[in-house]
Amino acid sequence: GDSVTQMEGPVTLSEEAFLTINCTYTATGYPSLFWYVQYPGEGLQLLLKATKADDKGSNKGFEATYRKETTSFHLEKGSVQVSDSAVYFCALSSDANFGNEKLTFGTGTRLTIIP
Amino acid sequence: KAGVTQTPRYLIKTRGQQVTLSCSPISGHRSVSWYQQTPGQGLQFLFEYFSETQRNKGNFPGRFSGRQFSNSRSEMNVSTLELGDSALYLCASSLGPEGRYRPQYFGPGTRLTVL
Repeated sequence: GDSVTQMEGPVTLSEEAFLTINCTYTATGYPSLFWYVQYPGEGLQLLLKATKADDKGSNKGFEATYRKETTSFHLEKGSVQVSDSAVYFCALSSDANFGNEKLTFGTGTRLTIIP
Repeated sequence: KAGVTQTPRYLIKTRGQQVTLSCSPISGHRSVSWYQQTPGQGLQFLFEYFSETQRNKGNFPGRFSGRQFSNSRSEMNVSTLELGDSALYLCASSLGPEGRYRPQYFGPGTRLTVL
């Protein structure tokens, strides 16, 4: 079945540090890949997406590249801010579920940025 | 355009009771999915509805059920509540099955506590 493995947290960084959160996946076919972010007390917000190999998703300074050869979708940001503190989820929507909307999530990585 | 709304935001019930949660999708979105989020199990897919039909179901007991109305609004019901049903229940909407690339947009969730 489909699965997503995410870097264990929590991750604590200083402001302006470089961020990488690792994500690898197992899926049938050609999944679409997503990063969602959850701020305290809120639901999930879509951060970025990629729908085919070598696609790069980007938003708010965050980037992730769909690497089919390594089945990875690592999240990166060059200079983090305190406001980036949140829980980040990697997710996939499998080609096997074409036309269906099921998302398979990783366990989430809690990120804390200290001033 | 208004986002996904969920009511109520917080709910406290006792074991054995039943509960109904409501979700209004983004205007024009026809697919509604439900997820359960717990610290131990993370985010797990419950079910998905499109055009009043359940198209996909996760691995949850029959106590969990849902439905969708003609205006795309959805409800989920949990009968005979157990302590382990305490969770954040998230609803997500998307445009529908025209393409698997369409991301889901999440509501703020309903926090259910079972005593």
